Formats: sequence, structure tokens, C-alpha cells
Amino acid sequence: SQQGEEDPQALSIQEGENATMNCSYKTSINNLQWYRQNSGRGLVHLILIRSNEREKHSGRLRVTLDTSKKSSSLLITASRAADTASYFCATDFGGFKTIFGAGTRLFVKA
Amino acid sequence: SQTIHQWPATLVQPVGSPLSLECTVEGTSNPNLYWYRQAAGRGLQLLFYSVGIGQISSEVPQNLSASRPQDRQFILSSKKLLLSDSGFYLCAWEDYLAGGNEQFFGPGTRLTVL
Repeated sequence: SQQGEEDPQALSIQEGENATMNCSYKTSINNLQWYRQNSGRGLVHLILIRSNEREKHSGRLRVTLDTSKKSSSLLITASRAADTASYFCATDFGGFKTIFGAGTRLFVKA
Repeated sequence: SQTIHQWPATLVQPVGSPLSLECTVEGTSNPNLYWYRQAAGRGLQLLFYSVGIGQISSEVPQNLSASRPQDRQFILSSKKLLLSDSGFYLCAWEDYLAGGNEQFFGPGTRLTVL
């Protein structure tokens, strides 16, 4: 399967702490994206990192990409209760398909 | 600005009944369109994608079908629903020519087949 796989499957932290989620994939990619999904809602795009990039920042989000290890991480700093959601990585191998992982469920306790 | 609509938001259907879910996009032209299904607490399974009117690619053999009768309209259908068709159905669009590969999702339809 070319699907990205996130770990951990679930993560519970206190407000103010940092949250780190990881994604691994199996074949070469053009880019990797992270999405967020609140319960019962559609996904919202957070950030895209291209295969020739190693790190990107967007507000409290930091994404890294290690193509040699075929892995990426999403760091949310100074987490808030409103960050509670599921987070998915999605890999683009070229063509028209983007493959989504199973997601990490993050719960931030106030 | 672009918007994507899905309806209905929730649907309860008996086994064996037909299905029609509709997705429309506003504010863009010639988008790539996608149908995904998400089981409870799981990731997204790509069902169909379309790169143009009348062009449908199927990813998973099943009793579902998709059609794109207009540039910004994507329909998911079934002639006879199965219990296993229950799930959260998401439509998404992408401006492939922009090169960003970012997908924009609709609010989803929660389908329960009884």
C-alpha cells in the first residue's frame, strides 16, 4: 500500500504542551500535505511540503520532511483546546490521486 | 471565492434502496473532483475522481457509481445500497493546474444504511 501511516493513532496532552504527530510512507512522493478534521466535518488543508523541502512553518505549525526515511512530522506548539481534532497526512505520488493516512486523533485538555 | 456544497448532510436509507449524493463547486472552472468515504474513526478511502466532464476513474470496485454531468457537479449513486455502504462521504475539489495539490473538502454526508 502507498498509504501514509500516522502515529500515534491517538494523543492526549494538556493545553500549552506541544503535540507531535508522525507520518511514514512507502514510495517516493512529489509532496506531502497535512489536513485537520474536526469531528463530523470535512477536512481542512493545513500545510504542504514539497519533496525538495525539509521544513515549513505556518503559525504554530511546523512540518518536517525526511525523504531518506520517508517520513514527516507535524508539530503543534503551545496547543489549545481548539486544536482538538484528527490530523491526517496525505501523500501525492504524481498523477491525480492523493493518498490519505488513517489519522492521529489529538485531544487537548483545558 | 470558491465554495463547495454537499447535500444532504445526513441520510438514513434502508438496504436495497437507491442513493444519490450531490456535490457542487462554485467559483472555479475545470476542477478535479473527488469522492471519498470515511469509516468511523478511520482515514479516507478514495472512491472516484474526475478530471473533466464525463470522465470518471474508479478506485474501488463496489456497487457505487459516479457521474459528472457538468463541470462543477459530481454525483455519487447506487442502485441498491448495502449495509457496508454506511459511512461519511466527502466530496473534494482541487485546482490541479495551479499545481498546489491542495484539496478543498465539502462538509460531508453521513449515510446510515439500515
